[in-house]
Amino acid sequence: LAKTTQPISMDSYEGQEVNITCSHNNIATNDYITWYQQFPSQGPRFIIQGYKTKVTNEVASLFIPADRKSSTLSLPRVSLSDTAVYYCLVGDDYSGGYNKLIFGAGTRLAVHP
Amino acid sequence: DTGVSQDPRHKITKRGQNVTFRCDPISEHNRLYWYRQTLGQGPEFLTYFQNEAQLEKSRLLSDRFSAERPKGSFSTLEIQRTEQGDSAMYLCASSPPTGEHEQYFGPGTRLTVT
Repeated sequence: LAKTTQPISMDSYEGQEVNITCSHNNIATNDYITWYQQFPSQGPRFIIQGYKTKVTNEVASLFIPADRKSSTLSLPRVSLSDTAVYYCLVGDDYSGGYNKLIFGAGTRLAVHP
Repeated sequence: DTGVSQDPRHKITKRGQNVTFRCDPISEHNRLYWYRQTLGQGPEFLTYFQNEAQLEKSRLLSDRFSAERPKGSFSTLEIQRTEQGDSAMYLCASSPPTGEHEQYFGPGTRLTVT
């Protein structure tokens, strides 16, 4: 079972900042938080990963509070092409020597003109 | 294109037939994963290979399913005696030996069992 809870869907408009919050109350000490993006008829694509505090890359920022029981994916100035499903995952980086991804249902983001 | 490739992209088959899908991972990646995704759900883990060794199989992978990675490069997923419930997107992903958490997914094979 997925160890995360996130909103089923969100709506936004072009140019706005979108924040998707994920709850992971039972996150383990060794768990990382990872976000993937999936467009229709494509495989998921890695967006960002973090362990604590804030991580930023060219696509998004990930905010993780000190207790690590939640995290927020922030997409700056979204465009229509950001319409996709966003998955929040937590997992032990070294579980069995590999990382088996456990997906939930994800958040369907719709960006409107 | 040096990404993960899957073949075929679409497969329509009749119930009871056997089907085989192929996955070609990124060349330097020794880890290979198969997932299954049904409409409206996230992908579900099926099995994992490290080089040619199949190290984990999900209980979702019934005895009608078999996966191989004979030379540690490409992999095949075969479904025997297909059922309508097997209709789904079958996704393959690969990742490098160490240091990266990211898995690189292929475009998937969409199976429709009629």
